[in-house]
Amino acid sequence: EAGVTQSPTHLIKTRGQQATLRCSPISGHTSVYWYQQALGLGLQFLLWYDEGEERNRGNFPPRFSGRQFPNYSSELNVNALELEDSALYLCASSLGPGAGQETQYFGPGTRLLVL
Amino acid sequence: DQQVKQNSPSLSVQEGRISILNCDYTNSMFDYFLWYKKYPAEGPTFLISISSIKDKNEDGRFTVFLNKSAKHLSLHIVPSQPGDSAVYFCAAREVDSWGKLQFGAGTQVVVTP
Repeated sequence: EAGVTQSPTHLIKTRGQQATLRCSPISGHTSVYWYQQALGLGLQFLLWYDEGEERNRGNFPPRFSGRQFPNYSSELNVNALELEDSALYLCASSLGPGAGQETQYFGPGTRLLVL
Repeated sequence: DQQVKQNSPSLSVQEGRISILNCDYTNSMFDYFLWYKKYPAEGPTFLISISSIKDKNEDGRFTVFLNKSAKHLSLHIVPSQPGDSAVYFCAAREVDSWGKLQFGAGTQVVVTP
């Protein structure tokens, strides 16, 4: 069974640009989560999508946004990039809230570098 | 405000011995806890979890202990193997807050021959 996949693996942007990161969940999983791991820090929760809707959001500014598509894949968009947005962005997936099994399984991440 | 704390940034243990990783939390609303392992250039891999209604959960070489009164959990790895060398993250979720895991900063474990 294929795991969570993310693309691209690396992304280099300049300040003020927009970045788009993509995630495909494990087959059968309806929930997708996004986390940011800045250098030397733990994972910080960004967003949770389930069944196409945003269900929860972490303490990040509105320029961090995303969406979930009908096939449950997801996109994270970061607008007006700032230097401190440089980080590893991890996507995770799980069964939906009604399934009673909430373990999140992570992809390999996208490393974003803002110059 | 870091509600999940892993106060030991690193741990060195000999192969075959026990590794004990500690995690403290401050939020009494946490009711579900997980441990993840992360190798460089890979995403975290789920290891083991525990619900707040239990005080111990075991899976092979991995055992997680939860002490709710002390707001403390620990992960025991017995016996430690070279492949266990990785960063270990403790994570917690608030009751009725599905989806939002809060992670500690991680503990780097090095298993030596």
